Amino acid sequence: KAGVTQTPRYLIKTRGQQVTLSCSPISGHRSVSWYQQTPGQGLQFLFEYFSETQRNKGNFPGRFSGRQFSNSRSEMNVSTLELGDSALYLCASSLGGRVGQPQHFGDGTRLSIL
Amino acid sequence: DAKTTQPTSMDCAEGRAANLPCNHSTISGNEYVYWYRQIHSQGPQYIIHGLKNNETNEMASLIITEDRKSSTLILPHATLRDTAVYYCIVRVPNTGNQFYFGTGTSLTVIP
Repeated sequence: KAGVTQTPRYLIKTRGQQVTLSCSPISGHRSVSWYQQTPGQGLQFLFEYFSETQRNKGNFPGRFSGRQFSNSRSEMNVSTLELGDSALYLCASSLGGRVGQPQHFGDGTRLSIL
Repeated sequence: DAKTTQPTSMDCAEGRAANLPCNHSTISGNEYVYWYRQIHSQGPQYIIHGLKNNETNEMASLIITEDRKSSTLILPHATLRDTAVYYCIVRVPNTGNQFYFGTGTSLTVIP
């Protein structure tokens, strides 16, 4: 069974630009969550989508947004990029229906802002 | 707002059991304990999770104390490939799939 796939693996952007990251969950998983990982802040939750609806949201500014498609694939968008947005962005999927189910992570997209 | 406390770092000799402790003294009755690990430049890897009973799978064992205020992840025969940062996570109820990751324990397996 294929795992969580994130594309691209690496991305370089400049300040002020916008970026879209993609995540394909494990087949059959309906929940997709996004996390940001930086050396200073560690792993921080961005948001979760389930059945094309945002179900939960972390404490990030509105420049960070996402969506989920009917096939459960998800995209995350960051607008007006800042230097501090340089990070590893991780996507995780789970069945999503019951409490207790583990999330499974992709290997992330490493975003560098120049 | 991580609700767990873990030692910053630990060493373990190759071939020996690695016992990684986690304190979650404020855990509530319906919160699960999850363990993940992260090897540099990769995404976190799910290891095991449990609610009340001890759990075992092909990777590890999870021992949860009777009062559920602490747990221990056991890697029975540590190898060099087990060198990683290990995260103990308590899943907060009614917050969807949001996981709070703390700083974890950096485990180094020594040859």
